[in-house]
Amino acid sequence: QSALTQPPSASGSPGQSVTISCTGTSSDVGGYNYVSWYQQHPGKAPKLLIYEVYYRPSGVPDRFSGSKSGNTASLTVSGLQAEDEADYYCSSYAGHYIRVVFGGGTKLTVL
Amino acid sequence: DVQLVESGGGLVQPGGSLRLSCAASGLTVSSNYMSWVRQSPVKGLEWVSVIYAGGSTYHADSVKGRFTISRDISKNTLFLQMNSLTAEDTALYYCVRGSVDTEGRTMPHFDSWGQGTLVTVSS
Repeated sequence: QSALTQPPSASGSPGQSVTISCTGTSSDVGGYNYVSWYQQHPGKAPKLLIYEVYYRPSGVPDRFSGSKSGNTASLTVSGLQAEDEADYYCSSYAGHYIRVVFGGGTKLTVL
Repeated sequence: DVQLVESGGGLVQPGGSLRLSCAASGLTVSSNYMSWVRQSPVKGLEWVSVIYAGGSTYHADSVKGRFTISRDISKNTLFLQMNSLTAEDTALYYCVRGSVDTEGRTMPHFDSWGQGTLVTVSS
């Protein structure tokens, strides 16, 4: 059982927008602006997509955006493309040394 | 380019031990904060251990007292010694680099990942 709660699946048609939620508590998501999102394609390692709630590493398209409200963070994928079909995981700092907790992952299907 | 290559995984009996290695290129292990993160179908992604540039180490409660993270500066390699293994330790183990901001502060996200090494604990 993961510390952060994500919907197991999400879907959208090419060109549409999809939002994936990530719910934690005031001890993690709600307590710090240190929410990250990772994208994982089958058989591949996770790739950092968003950090500190809404920052994108260099090379990540601006179709990916992050936000947070209270204990819930969100990842929005705009202008869905076939290559966006993957698993998406959120993570958050949870205090102390680098104690990071993850969500259970959301499988995004591009219809 | 940063490259992290894990090795050492395999099938081990409950109660056994394994030592994972992570050979790094494109970065200096001793100058970065490095972690092990594992992934299993049951538990999903789980942070396991961290070693800071200064040498401090910390482990998740689930592995504390059983796992030890270390590094070899001369080989630019990260290690994870795993003892008293149980079925719950079965997972794909990733070697990851933690991010540092422009002021040198360690940040709780991971910007480089290896491809992982599979550990299976079963009799």
